[in-house]
Amino acid sequence: AQSVAQPEDQVNVAEGNPLTVKCTYSVSGNPYLFWYVQYPNRGLQFLLKYITGDNLVKGSYGFEAEFNKSQTSFHLKKPSALVSDSALYFCAVTLIKAAGNKLTFGGGTRVLVKP
Amino acid sequence: GAGVSQSPRYKVAKRGQDVALRCDPISGHVSLFWYQQALGQGPEFLTYFQNEAQLDKSGLPSDRFFAERPEGSVSTLKIQRTQQEDSAVYLCASSPGLAHSYEQYFGPGTRLTVT
Repeated sequence: AQSVAQPEDQVNVAEGNPLTVKCTYSVSGNPYLFWYVQYPNRGLQFLLKYITGDNLVKGSYGFEAEFNKSQTSFHLKKPSALVSDSALYFCAVTLIKAAGNKLTFGGGTRVLVKP
Repeated sequence: GAGVSQSPRYKVAKRGQDVALRCDPISGHVSLFWYQQALGQGPEFLTYFQNEAQLDKSGLPSDRFFAERPEGSVSTLKIQRTQQEDSAVYLCASSPGLAHSYEQYFGPGTRLTVT
């Protein structure tokens, strides 16, 4: 079984300050990890992924995430948050199998960036 | 280019009615997924298609839920005898199905309300 935990329901940050959204996972095997963002009345938009290689991955809109195998974490970060980053963020994990790579999502973290 | 589209965007059904939700994946994408997102929660996997073959339907909550993708492109999720607990946003996602292209591209979702 695989699971994802996002311990914070909401993160508040001032514009221009660093943003961190936490994610930990549990999976039997090598995880493939993803971050998605969801704006109101819109589908999930892909931000970045970790498949293999460098533990620090860079994605869209200035976001990055660090894979930490020993802590089973994949925290999302942005050095300087924008008001437009306010949205709902989801971390997801999968194992690559012949029968597809269904995603298991965390419960989501709402980010509010204040001007 | 065109992304994943879903129709209708909103559907209100009376309890006991049957509904059909449509997904048009990105052209050429081999993999297609359906997820259910309850209010305030992360998406949960329902079923997976590789071309026209339904390889995983482990997430379908009951035998009232049925999905098909007869020609390996458009997919339909059908819910028979809808119940109030079926109220949710139903998300469709597609993926190229190629090695190292594991990210899924999501449609805007269909919001189903059962009254």
